Amino acid sequence: EIVLTQSPATLSLSPGETATLSCRTSQSVASFLAWYQQRPGQAPRLLISDASKRATGVPARFSGSGSGTDFTLTIISLEPEDFAVYYCQHRTRWPYTFGQGTKLEIK
Amino acid sequence: EVHLLESGGGLVQPGGSLRLSCAASGFTFSAYAMAWVRQVPGKGLEWVSVISGRSDIKFDAESVKGRFIISRDTVTDTLYLQMDSLRAEDTAVYYCAKDSRGGITGTLTHWGQGTLVTVSS
Repeated sequence: EIVLTQSPATLSLSPGETATLSCRTSQSVASFLAWYQQRPGQAPRLLISDASKRATGVPARFSGSGSGTDFTLTIISLEPEDFAVYYCQHRTRWPYTFGQGTKLEIK
Repeated sequence: EVHLLESGGGLVQPGGSLRLSCAASGFTFSAYAMAWVRQVPGKGLEWVSVISGRSDIKFDAESVKGRFIISRDTVTDTLYLQMDSLRAEDTAVYYCAKDSRGGITGTLTHWGQGTLVTVSS
């Protein structure tokens, strides 16, 4: 099983700032990595697939990068609705696994 | 618009059974793989099971293998999860989710709102 480690666990920023979230995998997943956003009380929502492809309807302030074992989700000009928990997930082979999440909170 | 509505959650005793349903609409159900993902309240996400659009390929997490069965009905556009021999550690919100293609890709483009399963005596 591929283990995904996200950092930091919690990120405290203010609206308008830039957030940089990291996801590291225990083995190479090539570019088969997705990012999901989960707001309180809501279901997860796909943001980025295959490391850098924005899902339909996702604002351009969200971008993903990386390959192999190191990946980054960047959110520029944070909006109030961006404060949520973010999960990375690989799809290289079963079992697909998620990281433990990064909570982005308002400073 | 894609819509996924889970039902069937509730309180069950250890060793008991439940069947979760997910009613799908807004897309050609048989053309997409579907999955169940669970989340212990306040914790992270865990893939449970996934099934291809033609039901010819299924994967289950080791933690549920032999106890849970995923299936789908393309007449009623419904995804199911039959859960037997339930344990306290199966307590979670169970989400139904749509894959991006008919074959299993592991990219979940749409999610339902979830149904809570509580296993307790």
